[in-house]
Amino acid sequence: EAQVTQNPRYLITVTGKKLTVTCSQNMNHEYMSWYRQDPGLGLRQIYYSMNVEVTDKGDVPEGYKVSRKEKRNFPLILESPSPNQTSLYFCASSLTSGLSSYEQYFGPGTRLTVT
Amino acid sequence: GENVGLHLPTLSVQEGDNSIINCAYSNSASDYFIWYKQESGKGPQFIIDIRSNMDKRQGQRVTVLLNKTVKHLSLQIAATQPGDSAVYFCAEGDSSLGYQKVTFGIGTKLQVIP
Repeated sequence: EAQVTQNPRYLITVTGKKLTVTCSQNMNHEYMSWYRQDPGLGLRQIYYSMNVEVTDKGDVPEGYKVSRKEKRNFPLILESPSPNQTSLYFCASSLTSGLSSYEQYFGPGTRLTVT
Repeated sequence: GENVGLHLPTLSVQEGDNSIINCAYSNSASDYFIWYKQESGKGPQFIIDIRSNMDKRQGQRVTVLLNKTVKHLSLQIAATQPGDSAVYFCAEGDSSLGYQKVTFGIGTKLQVIP
């Protein structure tokens, strides 16, 4: 089944404790992206990657890091989480060539709470 | 998501009626637009997209209309069903910036009354 998976789905942590949220897709997509979703603000892009070893900042990159060492994986790293990073996080992927649509495939989300 | 429906514009529609969800976009340079549906506890799911060289596109039970003059986008859902209850997001992108730079709206919550 074609899908984007994220782990963990739920995480409660404390301020300053480094964490990683993993994202993996099995569709051989070049493009992957991370979003955060907050009430009243919609989805805001954190980072995206056009292919292996190619990453760039989105609209709200502060406090986050990413890496793209393999095509299928795109982990989101919070080196020193703070309470304002409490949010619902989504990973997404899509093709970048031969586009017939602009569809992105989203993962199920990770609910992060930082106390 | 569990609480992403809070603070959102809400549209209540009787089952079987048509729904129209509106979206105003901000960037005059945006040349493609996408509608997503997000059910409670799930990630957004693609519905339909439209390029700026079109003003209408139809899918299964859905129609997207684009008015570039007033920067307005709408999603029409025919014969609305209980399964259509969700939050609907419009998104805009400027392909000159790379199509991956997509900006999402805050969403509209659609409630279908049985």
